[in-house]
Amino acid sequence: DAGVTQSPTHLIKTRGQQVTLRCSPISGHKSVSWYQQVLGQGPQFIFQYYEKEERGRGNFPDRFSARQFPNYSSELNVNALLLGDSALYLCASSLLSGAGGELFFGEGSRLTVL
Amino acid sequence: GESVGLHLPTLSVQEGDNSIINCAYSNSASDYFIWYKQESGKGPQFIIDIRSNMDKRQGQRVTVLLNKTVKHLSLQIAATQPGDSAVYFCAENTDPGSARQLTFGSGTQLTVLP
Repeated sequence: DAGVTQSPTHLIKTRGQQVTLRCSPISGHKSVSWYQQVLGQGPQFIFQYYEKEERGRGNFPDRFSARQFPNYSSELNVNALLLGDSALYLCASSLLSGAGGELFFGEGSRLTVL
Repeated sequence: GESVGLHLPTLSVQEGDNSIINCAYSNSASDYFIWYKQESGKGPQFIIDIRSNMDKRQGQRVTVLLNKTVKHLSLQIAATQPGDSAVYFCAENTDPGSARQLTFGSGTQLTVLP
């Protein structure tokens, strides 16, 4: 069975541009979460979606947005990119919305902003 | 704000020895804790979890201990192997009503020496 898949794996953008990152959860998983991992730090929560509804948002500016599609895949959009947005963006899926059960992470999309 | 932290950024152990990775958390309301392993270029991989109503949980070669009195979490790895070399993160769920929103520590780099 395929795990969480993310695309693209690497991308380079310039300041002010916009980026869309994509995530396909494990088959049967209805919850998708997005995390930002800056080099040398732990992942930081951005969004959680469950059954196509936003269930939580971390402390990120409105330049960050996300959505979940009927097939439970998800997109993370970041507008007006800043140098500080350079990071590994991780998508994670799980069966449940609440605590308990394993959260499965993808390999991430590494974004470099020049 | 509330955060999860780690005592040591790096840990080196001899192959075959036991490893202990520590983590301090500050949110007494956290009810669910997870340890993740992250190898270079990969997403975090679930190792073991524990709920706040437990003190200890064992998996294959790993044990997690939770001391709620001093808000301390530890991961013990028995008979450490070269494949255990990675960054280890502890994470806590700080909002039971909106779980899957984990707060990660900054990580401990475990190096297994031959």
